[in-house]
Amino acid sequence: EAQVTQNPRYLITVTGKKLTVTCSQNMNHEYMSWYRQDPGLGLRQIYYSMNVEVTDKGDVPEGYKVSRKEKRNFPLILESPSPNQTSLYFCASRRPGADTQYFGPGTRLTVL
Amino acid sequence: GESVGLHLPTLSVQEGDNSIINCAYSNSASDYFIWYKQESGKGPQFIIDIRSNMDKRQGQRVTVLLNKTVKHLSLQIAATQPGDSAVYFCAEKVGGGNKLTFGTGTQLKVEL
Repeated sequence: EAQVTQNPRYLITVTGKKLTVTCSQNMNHEYMSWYRQDPGLGLRQIYYSMNVEVTDKGDVPEGYKVSRKEKRNFPLILESPSPNQTSLYFCASRRPGADTQYFGPGTRLTVL
Repeated sequence: GESVGLHLPTLSVQEGDNSIINCAYSNSASDYFIWYKQESGKGPQFIIDIRSNMDKRQGQRVTVLLNKTVKHLSLQIAATQPGDSAVYFCAEKVGGGNKLTFGTGTQLKVEL
């Protein structure tokens, strides 16, 4: 089944404790991105990647890092999480030239 | 700045009635638009898209209308069913770019 998976689905952590949210897709898509979703603000792009070893900032990259060492994986790293990063996070992918993105199920992160 | 917005945050309809969800956009350079459906606890799911060289596109029980003159987009759902209950987002993209700008979403509630 073609899908985007994220882990963990739920995470509660404390300020300053480094964490990684994994994202994997099995559709051989070159383009992947991370979004955060907050009430009243909609989906905002954090980072995106056009291909392996090619990443770029989205609208709200502060406090986040990403890496793209393999085509299928695009982890989101929070080196020192803060409470304002409490949010619902979505990973998405699409193939080159296509406009339709496929979203993962989401990761709900709470930073205390 | 450029923005995509929705007129109504919540829409309640009776089962079997038609639903109309509206979206306004302000970037006149946008030439591709997508509607997503997000069910509770899940990631956004593609419903239908339309390019700016069209003013109407139909899918299964859904129709998207685009009025470029007033920068308005709408999603019509025919014979609304309980399974249509979800949050609906519009998104826009400028041709050739990679960035999707999302609206904040409309909650559709289907009453039995």
